[in-house]
Amino acid sequence: DAGVTQSPTHLIKTRGQQVTLRCSPKSGHDTVSWYQQALGQGPQFIFQYYEEEERQRGNFPDRFSGHQFPNYSSELNVNALLLGDSALYLCASSLGQGSLDEQYFGPGTRLTVT
Amino acid sequence: KQEVTQIPAALSVPEGENLVLNCSFTDSAIYNLQWFRQDPGKGLTSLLLIQSSQREQTSGRLNASLDKSSGRSTLYIAASQPGDSATYLCAVRGGTYKYIFGTGTRLKVLA
Repeated sequence: DAGVTQSPTHLIKTRGQQVTLRCSPKSGHDTVSWYQQALGQGPQFIFQYYEEEERQRGNFPDRFSGHQFPNYSSELNVNALLLGDSALYLCASSLGQGSLDEQYFGPGTRLTVT
Repeated sequence: KQEVTQIPAALSVPEGENLVLNCSFTDSAIYNLQWFRQDPGKGLTSLLLIQSSQREQTSGRLNASLDKSSGRSTLYIAASQPGDSATYLCAVRGGTYKYIFGTGTRLKVLA
């Protein structure tokens, strides 16, 4: 049973550039959430996708956008990168309806902005 | 606005000790609470999930309790081992779909 996978593992970008991170959910899951985790902090919720729509959004600017595909995989896009966007980006999958909503996390993508 | 606090921020104990990690939250109207483990630079591993209607959950040497009225959850680890060294995070889901995380407790178990 495949767990949540994310790519790439590490990424280095320059200020002002754009980046795309990818996530494949755990087999059988249809909901994907994205989190940003700064060093020494707990994860902060960015948004959640269900049925290819953004269902919930946290306090992140419009530079952060996403997409969910028919196979439930998801992308996180960040435009106009700032130094403060350097963090571990985590993807979590779950069942969207009629479930306990237990979150299963991937290994994360470490983004460094220079 | 839901806020989640974890105390202590760091803990160092000798191997074999039983220990308790604390998580408190400000809004008792929660859907569920989940405990996670995170190794340095890695993703989160789910340990236990407690629904709002439950009082506790157990898995092996781990036991998590929930007291919604007081806004508290505890994670009890029995007979700690060096392999238990990690950061432990609790996360609360309220009426929305997002989980609010605490900043974690960094645990070090000394051999």
